[in-house]
Amino acid sequence: NAGVTQTPKFQVLKTGQSMTLQCAQDMNHEYMSWYRQDPGMGLRLIHYSVGAGITDQGEVPNGYNVSRSTTEDFPLRLLSAAPSQTSVYFCASSYWGGYGYTFGSGTRLTVV
Amino acid sequence: DAKTTQPNSMESNEEEPVHLPCNHSTISGTDYIHWYRQLPSQGPEYVIHGLTSNVNNRMASLAIAEDRKSSTLILHRATLRDAAVYYCLSGATNKLIFGTGTLLAVQP
Repeated sequence: NAGVTQTPKFQVLKTGQSMTLQCAQDMNHEYMSWYRQDPGMGLRLIHYSVGAGITDQGEVPNGYNVSRSTTEDFPLRLLSAAPSQTSVYFCASSYWGGYGYTFGSGTRLTVV
Repeated sequence: DAKTTQPNSMESNEEEPVHLPCNHSTISGTDYIHWYRQLPSQGPEYVIHGLTSNVNNRMASLAIAEDRKSSTLILHRATLRDAAVYYCLSGATNKLIFGTGTLLAVQP
């Protein structure tokens, strides 16, 4: 099993550009989440999903959109990149109800 | 969302047990207690979780207070590879909120 796969691993964007961070899992997990981690800080929840077609906002959703059309995929869209969105982004997935999350290896995003 | 409180940092010696404390005084009856760790330059890694009873797995043990307002992650024999930030979380399993964690340093 590949687990949670995030692409790309690194990305540099110019201010105002848009892009999509991809996240795919092959474990048939219902729950998926996106986090950002700024240098030297903890993780902050951006958006999460409990199943296909269902998404909700986390702690810091502004500037990001998500959709969950399939169980496997949970892309994160940056609408108009800003330097404040420079961060490492982690995607995670879990089975329904009381199981541990598996995290991807992260996407390091720099907005200049 | 339930809030957790952990010490900012702790030190341990290699081969000795480590007890990492966590307070979660606002936990609700259905909230699980989760522990994750993050090694340098890596994504978080699941360690253990529990609801009411103490839990053991190959990585660690989780001791939960009877009133569930605190818990302790126990690493039975610390190794250099256990040096990481350890996060204690409590809340709904569909929406994990991370705090600042405890930076564990392991001395040889």
